[in-house]
Amino acid sequence: TQLLEQSPQFLSIQEGENLTVYCNSSSVFSSLQWYRQEPGEGPVLLVTVVTGGEVKKLKRLTFQFGDARKDSSLHITAAQPGDTGLYLCATGGTDSWGKLQFGAGTQVVVTP
Amino acid sequence: KAGVTQTPRYLIKTRGQQVTLSCSPISGHRSVSWYQQTPGQGLQFLFEYFSETQRNKGNFPGRFSGRQFSNSRSEMNVSTLELGDSALYLCASSLSGGARTEAFFGQGTRLTVV
Repeated sequence: TQLLEQSPQFLSIQEGENLTVYCNSSSVFSSLQWYRQEPGEGPVLLVTVVTGGEVKKLKRLTFQFGDARKDSSLHITAAQPGDTGLYLCATGGTDSWGKLQFGAGTQVVVTP
Repeated sequence: KAGVTQTPRYLIKTRGQQVTLSCSPISGHRSVSWYQQTPGQGLQFLFEYFSETQRNKGNFPGRFSGRQFSNSRSEMNVSTLELGDSALYLCASSLSGGARTEAFFGQGTRLTVV
């Protein structure tokens, strides 16, 4: 089982500030997915990164995949209250059908 | 197209009872996975079904079971409920369930055991 470490556990910022959350593993990721989850709802897929060094942008969100495919980061520019949520990284094992291994998540709170 | 639908959204059961949760995947998706989410343990994998066959199973007791129908809809059952089974149960559907396949989650069923 591949362990995913997310940091920080909790982040509280003011609207308009920037933030970065991290996802790390001691093993190489075959691919990595980022999700955002709001209270009482299911996680919503934000992006999938596959190639080492890959950078993907989704409006104000920038996702980076480390060159060695052992780490990833999510950067939010000019955060808004709508960005509040639990950010989860997840990876699927190479021989593990339908199973995603999740990190513990980073709880982000953006206050007006 | 319609997303993943889970029913019911909320359930309250008493200890010792059993419960059945339902999941309708996105049309065309054949893989359905189930997860349990609790504040202490996070998201934990229960099992995965593909073409009516369980292909993968997490580390949960036999009280947790599931099945998948020919239309890819899936159910999970928990028998002899315990207080510790209180959690958000999530199902996720994907095209094939492979390592790089993107999974889409339902809104979950919040189960409270009293």
